[in-house]
Amino acid sequence: EVQLVESGGGPVKPGGSLRLSCAASGFSFSDYSMNWVRQAPGKGLEWVSCISSSHDYIYYTDSVKGRFTISRDNAKNALYLQMNSLRADDTAVYYCARGTDSSSSTHFDYWGQGTQVAVSS
Amino acid sequence: DIQMTQSPSTLSASVGDRVTITCRASHTVSSWLAWYQQKPGKAPKLLIYDASNLESGVPSRFSGSRSGTEFTLTISSLQPDDSATYYCQQYNSYFRTFGQGTKLEIK
Repeated sequence: EVQLVESGGGPVKPGGSLRLSCAASGFSFSDYSMNWVRQAPGKGLEWVSCISSSHDYIYYTDSVKGRFTISRDNAKNALYLQMNSLRADDTAVYYCARGTDSSSSTHFDYWGQGTQVAVSS
Repeated sequence: DIQMTQSPSTLSASVGDRVTITCRASHTVSSWLAWYQQKPGKAPKLLIYDASNLESGVPSRFSGSRSGTEFTLTISSLQPDDSATYYCQQYNSYFRTFGQGTKLEIK
């Protein structure tokens, strides 16, 4: 059974940092691209970042470029999102989501349960 | 960036009704479009991919279609469990974008 379990969220002050993790199991992690998607309170879904299966391609939405860094450790079946210089509008539930193959232009077939990030002074 | 415009934003229908949700892309996305269902406090769930392919395990009352840059999600006979918010998503490029969502309520 495919499982994605996020962790690392919590309250943080503006300008602070957090590192989100996503532990994957039940599939060959190194064969799939992975993504972070967020959802602000009461709002819709927003794709944040993706990383291809072998780190060849990394992309970000414009609002997080230069502040967030996506990475993965295929040996540990883990996905990460380092978030720096956090702002109030980064407040959201952050989901990790699996792409359907190794490339960076796919839909998402499995999602984690999400981890809440709350940026407030 | 490709903008996805969903309509309606909210929808109220009765059990057994046929329900249609529309999503229009600002530029061509070919058939690279998915539909997701999200219930409160839960992660989105994939329903349809490549515009019209039903994800494994999803009830057959859900279907998707494409006409140019306009996409449709249809629920043939609405069930109480279908109360949720539905999102379309294009994946024509790495910059995936979602529609703003359609909240479906059961009368």
